[in-house]
Amino acid sequence: DAEITQSPRHKITETGRQVTLACHQTWNHNNMFWYRQDLGHGLRLIHYSYGVQDTNKGEVSDGYSVSRSNTEDLPLTLESAASSQTSVYFCASGHHSTGELFFGEGSRLTVL
Amino acid sequence: GDSVTQMEGPVTLSEEAFLTINCTYTATGYPSLFWYVQYPGEGLQLLLKATKADDKGSNKGFEATYRKETTSFHLEKGSVQVSDSAVYFCALTRGTIQGAQKLVFGQGTRLTINP
Repeated sequence: DAEITQSPRHKITETGRQVTLACHQTWNHNNMFWYRQDLGHGLRLIHYSYGVQDTNKGEVSDGYSVSRSNTEDLPLTLESAASSQTSVYFCASGHHSTGELFFGEGSRLTVL
Repeated sequence: GDSVTQMEGPVTLSEEAFLTINCTYTATGYPSLFWYVQYPGEGLQLLLKATKADDKGSNKGFEATYRKETTSFHLEKGSVQVSDSAVYFCALTRGTIQGAQKLVFGQGTRLTINP
């Protein structure tokens, strides 16, 4: 079965370290998204991509970057982790013709 | 900009009770509207959707009607079960075809059903 997987599921890091969260989908979807989930804020869009070599900033993109070198993967990088980036991160993908997104199980990141 | 507002949680009900979770939105044009559900320890999954005014989305006994005149998309279920305990998110998109999945989410409503 096609799926979307995130790794690691849990990570603890220190302020100032670089962190990369992986996202891999096997549906061959063009569209991929990264959201962060925080209490009281719901899900907020960090970055998104509509295809290979395409990346776009979302509403909370400061301190984050993504790259899309193939259809299957959209890694999210925190260049210099800050305590404010402690959150649960969700990757999602979908086909452009439907409104449905498929979400990964999330990556819980703690920045100390 | 576009926004979605949901009723404050958490919501606690007894099994077989009637459920309503309110959702209102602000957006220009004609957005598509969605309800996503997040079970404990899992990612979000689509529950139902409606793409134009007066459409009713339904799934697993849940329903929501797209009301353009009141800019609302309230989620309802006639008789809830313990297994419905989850966090529910209302969302919208009004992007282009390519961006049709660039969703804006509400803050989520945590629902707990007691036996």
